[in-house]
Amino acid sequence: KNEVEQSPQNLTAQEGEFITINCSYSVGISALHWLQQHPGGGIVSLFMLSSGKKKHGRLIATINIQEKHSSLHITASHPRDSAVYICAVLGSYNTDKLIFGTGTRLQVFP
Amino acid sequence: EPEVTQTPSHQVTQMGQEVILRCVPISNHLYFYWYRQILGQKVEFLVSFYNNEISEKSEIFDDQFSVERPDGSNFTLKIRSTKLEDSAMYFCASSEQGISRGSPLHFGNGTRLTVT
Repeated sequence: KNEVEQSPQNLTAQEGEFITINCSYSVGISALHWLQQHPGGGIVSLFMLSSGKKKHGRLIATINIQEKHSSLHITASHPRDSAVYICAVLGSYNTDKLIFGTGTRLQVFP
Repeated sequence: EPEVTQTPSHQVTQMGQEVILRCVPISNHLYFYWYRQILGQKVEFLVSFYNNEISEKSEIFDDQFSVERPDGSNFTLKIRSTKLEDSAMYFCASSEQGISRGSPLHFGNGTRLTVT
């Protein structure tokens, strides 16, 4: 069983739709990261959170530590949001080792 | 905005050859990382580096791998004798104070290594 599970694996949406990507993890963590991997392969860090909720533009990330679950929401989705979204967790004990999920491939059509 | 740069973007090598992948982290960052992503698979942590030494490494990072900061700017990953299964995208990343301290992670665009 993977330590970090994401759902769905693939997601298609029409422009303007509200998108939710889910991440569940089975280990104790100190922080959770959401990353965006562009079609060309490059990776950008979107959020790092250890509790509550963070918002940046049309992106919102939430985490529930008790339930070991995080969600990434995209409001008013746009074709340029098409990418792979990756959840990664950092363990509890003074570690720099990120454990990655397999990613959710999002395609937004005009 | 400062960025992490990696060279080359694509490297092709023959099995058994040594390769060096190069990275220039953001200049005021103190923590450096290498990750790899085999085609179609998830990203995997290889190694973290701070204060001129390895601070943490994964099971993947065996004796065939080494990292070095040969000068004040470059951070390199060397694979001594490449195998077919080393074919992957290798990402370098840096962080000002370390991700375990809540400092953001900045990735380079990756080097695609193809071993033939």
